Amino acid sequence: ETGVTQTPRHLVMGMTNKKSLKCEQHLGHNAMYWYKQSAKKPLELMFVYSLEERVENNSVPSRFSPECPNSSHLFLHLHTLQPEDSALYLCASSQDSRGGMNEQFFGPGTRLTVL
Amino acid sequence: AQTVTQSQPEMSVQEAETVTLSCTYDTSESDYYLFWYKQPPSRQMILVIRQEAYKQQNATENRFSVNFQKAAKSFSLKISDSQLGDAAMYFCAYRRLRNFGNEKLTFGTGTRLTIIP
Repeated sequence: ETGVTQTPRHLVMGMTNKKSLKCEQHLGHNAMYWYKQSAKKPLELMFVYSLEERVENNSVPSRFSPECPNSSHLFLHLHTLQPEDSALYLCASSQDSRGGMNEQFFGPGTRLTVL
Repeated sequence: AQTVTQSQPEMSVQEAETVTLSCTYDTSESDYYLFWYKQPPSRQMILVIRQEAYKQQNATENRFSVNFQKAAKSFSLKISDSQLGDAAMYFCAYRRLRNFGNEKLTFGTGTRLTIIP
């Protein structure tokens, strides 16, 4: 595996279900990100982890719970979601350095549908 | 807060022709980075080209080039000799320069580019 991978690629869940999205990066990066992509809206940054510590949480509802057990893995735990949470969830990683461009590499995304 | 605007939701171009996608942004910063990302139907977002705001020279990557107008806060993408594989959503993004990372990317709403054979 190379780059950034995400599983599952597609997920359909009911509002009472609990599920998790997984992201893995094989690039040796030190930062990972969760984005939400909805139709006709800009990508919304949800969470940022740097060195496994959450450094940003953009007012995301508590029904989304991130976890970063190590620098290569990132999870997004989902529970009691709403239909408006249906979207493409993208994971990204970057190697952050002082003053650097810190290009982000994206995974293919998980298409989530909440019924 | 920084904002990025892509005023063209959809564009189309004849194969082998040239197309320009527009992007404007709003910021009070003087040092920052600008990016164009491409998201093909397979959904993997990939970086197409990037520009450091402190560089006056426009970035070029093969058939892709930018027209960076810092005073006008404009960052358009030109695709020359368009190919069928260029069909995708194109996102313009802004990132503030910071002494240490984790600075978020601010994205535009995207432009869907169709290539006409």
